[in-house]
Amino acid sequence: ETGVTQTPRHLVMGMTNKKSLKCEQHLGHNAMYWYKQSAKKPLELMFVYSLEERVENNSVPSRFSPECPNSSHLFLHLHTLQPEDSALYLCASSQEARATGNTIYFGEGSWLTVV
Amino acid sequence: KQEVTQIPAALSVPEGENLVLNCSFTDSAIYNLQWFRQDPGKGLTSLLLIQSSQREQTSGRLNASLDKSSGRSTLYIAASQPGDSATYLCAVFYNQGGKLIFGQGTELSVKP
Repeated sequence: ETGVTQTPRHLVMGMTNKKSLKCEQHLGHNAMYWYKQSAKKPLELMFVYSLEERVENNSVPSRFSPECPNSSHLFLHLHTLQPEDSALYLCASSQEARATGNTIYFGEGSWLTVV
Repeated sequence: KQEVTQIPAALSVPEGENLVLNCSFTDSAIYNLQWFRQDPGKGLTSLLLIQSSQREQTSGRLNASLDKSSGRSTLYIAASQPGDSATYLCAVFYNQGGKLIFGQGTELSVKP
């Protein structure tokens, strides 16, 4: 059983819909991340949260809106997405956001298809 | 620009063969380098983490080396098995920027 749980695993949404991805970590970590993985591209870091505070926003369009209500939960709210936003969205956590010796743990990902 | 490159993009080998996956990075000022495994449609599993002060790390049949001066890392898999078939990703935590930068991965297929 993974220490990082993502739901839903698969999501199909229209361009006018509003939906959310959820992530929960059971590892007692202080940092959580959203990554985007598109076909044939390296993983792209989207957002970093440290103790519920956003510490990084990598020029992500405003149609992606993260929320971190506590150090165990992370959401990615989606609205008016484009077909090119279809990808695997991965949540991850680590003990600290910028500590150098951390191993980062990933969830299974949420497959998003925008139609 | 901080980049991570993995060669080859895909590799197919017969079962039992020893193999090497390559990772190169553009800036030697790094905190650490990690190797991950990703099965189709799944998340990433951390395999090995090498700190910048270390030369190699071993776990079972896996051995990862790090040469900061040349900007290279290798992942050696001994006696490969069909269950090793997956995509292997290299990621570098650069000093500047404090980000984990990923390569595109090497897709490995081990044929029985």
